[in-house]
Amino acid sequence: DVKVTQSSRYLVKRTGEKVFLECVQDMDHENMFWYRQDPGLGLRLIYFSYDVKMKEKGDIPEGYSVSREKKERFSLILESASTNQTSMYLCASSPILGGRGSYEQYFGPGTRLTVT
Amino acid sequence: QQPVQSPQAVILREGEDAVINCSSSKALYSVHWYRQKHGEAPVFLMILLKGGEQKGHEKISASFNEKKQQSSLYLTASQLSYSGTYFCGTERGADSWGKLQFGAGTQVVVTP
Repeated sequence: DVKVTQSSRYLVKRTGEKVFLECVQDMDHENMFWYRQDPGLGLRLIYFSYDVKMKEKGDIPEGYSVSREKKERFSLILESASTNQTSMYLCASSPILGGRGSYEQYFGPGTRLTVT
Repeated sequence: QQPVQSPQAVILREGEDAVINCSSSKALYSVHWYRQKHGEAPVFLMILLKGGEQKGHEKISASFNEKKQQSSLYLTASQLSYSGTYFCGTERGADSWGKLQFGAGTQVVVTP
């Protein structure tokens, strides 16, 4: 079974702190994603990585950065946390696009971040 | 721009049918469907590709109308296990391969 794990289920940080959210997948997937999930808004893509050290901005990258030094690990960084970044953060991975069509994404359990 | 899902919520009795719709204002290459149970991660249900190919493994079916940029998910003879929030994710292809934009979700409650 594909497994995507996230470093914490719950996290509480103060405004202005630097926050690291870690995600690890064990299926050798090339693609990894970070989403935030808010009620009524669904899942919104923050950043996407299609290879080690490669990244692309998603729909809401402002206030976030990412790091992918190893294929299995994708980190989301909040440089200076703000209260409007309180949310559920979901990591996902998928195999590389090849041939026709894209592939399903496998999600981690999520990290509920509260910024006070 | 996020796709629009309808309805926002639906309550069913076991054995009843329901349809969830997903509409986009942009041309689509594929549509993904996921289900998320309360407190859990979203789980893949199905991919529908431009040209009619489908990939899925549940007893839940779906359709994709490329011309109308719409997809529908059909919950037939619903079971209690179908309860959860259903999300469609749309992929535009070309410069956005692999990147999905998700709808706001449709909450489904199946009662005995």
